[in-house]
Amino acid sequence: GAGVSQTPSNKVTEKGKYVELRCDPISGHTALYWYRQSLGQGPEFLIYFQGTGAADDSGLPNDRFFAVRPEGSVSTLKIQRTERGDSAVYLCASSPQGASGIYNEQFFGPGTRLTVL
Amino acid sequence: DQQVKQNSPSLSVQEGRISILNCDYTNSMFDYFLWYKKYPAEGPTFLISISSIKDKNEDGRFTVFLNKSAKHLSLHIVPSQPGDSAVYFCAASGAGSYQLTFGKGTKLSVIP
Repeated sequence: GAGVSQTPSNKVTEKGKYVELRCDPISGHTALYWYRQSLGQGPEFLIYFQGTGAADDSGLPNDRFFAVRPEGSVSTLKIQRTERGDSAVYLCASSPQGASGIYNEQFFGPGTRLTVL
Repeated sequence: DQQVKQNSPSLSVQEGRISILNCDYTNSMFDYFLWYKKYPAEGPTFLISISSIKDKNEDGRFTVFLNKSAKHLSLHIVPSQPGDSAVYFCAASGAGSYQLTFGKGTKLSVIP
């Protein structure tokens, strides 16, 4: 079946601009996660959705970052007034249920590489 | 403050030999550990996991060992194949937490 898809695969923008990154999770997965991977680092957690609601947004670095999942499927990560430090690969993952522990296998998309000039 | 550490940025192994990738963690609340494999321009792919109630989990050529007292886990790949060349990430989660905490990764190169 289809995996997690993310669009665009690459996004180049100028400092101060607004960007939206989209994630289509695996069909039927209720849990969705966003991570950010900077060069030379592992993925870092940003936000977790269970259904339509953001159950944990503790990883969002500041209020320029916002994410939505209005119908409990597709999610959009929105970044306002982009800064050069926002340049990274943004990864989306989904899992069948938002349970911790043994059920927490997350399936990742290919990511969106964001470059802020 | 890195809670999951992979201290070897890279590792080279001859084809057919064993690859051993190491991971240390500091957070005693972690109770589930995963290894992901990542090829360039792709997202991480789940490889194998282990719960803290076990000390070993095996899946084909891949075995993960967990030493809770040392807060250490390792991934063994036997025999190593050129197609195993990738970046391997160790990740952990804790009871009640949905987020995964990743290490920085180890780049494995399997030489034919």
